[in-house]
Amino acid sequence: NAGVTQTPKFRVLKTGQSMTLLCAQDMNHEYMYWYRQDPGMGLRLIHYSVGEGTTAKGEVPDGYNVSRLKKQNFLLGLESAAPSQTSVYFCASSEDRPTYEQYFGPGTRLTVT
Amino acid sequence: ELKVEQNPLFLSMQEGKNYTIYCNYSTTSDRLYWYRQDPGKSLESLFVLLSNGAVKQEGRLMASLDTKARLSTLHITAAVHDLSATYFCAVDEGSNYKLTFGKGTLLTVNP
Repeated sequence: NAGVTQTPKFRVLKTGQSMTLLCAQDMNHEYMYWYRQDPGMGLRLIHYSVGEGTTAKGEVPDGYNVSRLKKQNFLLGLESAAPSQTSVYFCASSEDRPTYEQYFGPGTRLTVT
Repeated sequence: ELKVEQNPLFLSMQEGKNYTIYCNYSTTSDRLYWYRQDPGKSLESLFVLLSNGAVKQEGRLMASLDTKARLSTLHITAAVHDLSATYFCAVDEGSNYKLTFGKGTLLTVNP
């Protein structure tokens, strides 16, 4: 099993450009999450999904959109990138009962200039 | 709104010493997780604590959960350099299994 994978690993964008980050999991998990990590801030939840075809907002959703067309994939989109979106982005998926433990992907380091 | 506070945020210790990292949270929860993150890497699950009084141990690390006090501790015994990393606690908010993370504790173990 590959677990949770993310593409790309690194990306540099100019302000106003758009991009999509792809997260894939092969563990048949229902729940998937997108976080951003900034120095001294811990991880903050951007959006999450409780199953195929569903999405919901997390703590910091502004400027991002998501889609979950297939159970194994969760896409995070930036329509018009801003320097404030420079961050490391982690995707996670969660197993079911009893632990609901989240497993994290390797991360995507995004710089917006 | 659930708040999760870790302390200390920075911890420098000598090899062979013991220390404890604290994780306090603001609302009722029965599920708490500890993760480790090495520089430039992803988060690795260390412990899953699912009930009041839960205690888990792995090597030199031991985690416990007191849901009445809304407190979890991560105890380090006889620290070694390989334990140097950032440690996060995360608390289940209770709906859709969302986690709220603490800011992390950067642990440096010096020879």
